[in-house]
Amino acid sequence: AQSVTQLGSHVSVSEGALVLLRCNYSSSVPPYLFWYVQYPNQGLQLLLKYTSAATLVKGINGFEAEFKKSETSFHLTKPSAHMSDAAEYFCAVSDRGGGFKTIFGAGTRLFVKA
Amino acid sequence: DTAVSQTPKYLVTQMGNDKSIKCEQNLGHDTMYWYKQDSKKFLKIMFSYNNKELIINETVPNRFSPKSPDKAHLNLHINSLELGDSAVYFCASSSGQEGLGEQYFGPGTRLTVT
Repeated sequence: AQSVTQLGSHVSVSEGALVLLRCNYSSSVPPYLFWYVQYPNQGLQLLLKYTSAATLVKGINGFEAEFKKSETSFHLTKPSAHMSDAAEYFCAVSDRGGGFKTIFGAGTRLFVKA
Repeated sequence: DTAVSQTPKYLVTQMGNDKSIKCEQNLGHDTMYWYKQDSKKFLKIMFSYNNKELIINETVPNRFSPKSPDKAHLNLHINSLELGDSAVYFCASSSGQEGLGEQYFGPGTRLTVT
């Protein structure tokens, strides 16, 4: 069965600093991995996805994530935080045989300080 | 030209009432979902339909009943509302085999039961 763990329910960075949000997954078959962002009072929107192609995936708004099979990780990074990046971020995993089910992590709230 | 729309956006009602939330997607996707997001932002899958067939039915009280009149619509009816039903409910849709594509979320319906 799939599972996903996001390390840190809250992350705070200064504007211009590196953003690193951690995600570890568990899947018995090759996974499909996603990062979603949720701004206040909105639905989730896709930042990026990994579907067994390149291990370094680039997404919208300057975010990227690297799939590391040996570490079962899919951490999200952005070189320089912007105030507008403040939001809730969700890592998610699905796989063939998962029966249409995508498992979402508990979320990480990103705060950006001026 | 919203991809996934939900109505209403806000719903305030009293315990014991029955209410419905409607969802429509114009993306041509085969799979639709209902999620419940609690006050701690945890996202829990409730139901999923693929081509109008129920494929995911998580441990949800049978007071909750989904209905999919066609591939583009998935509605959620809730009977005998309880305080614990207060949450934000999200509809989503996805494409691809086994729903493995990314999910597109609606803006959410904030349900408050008093």
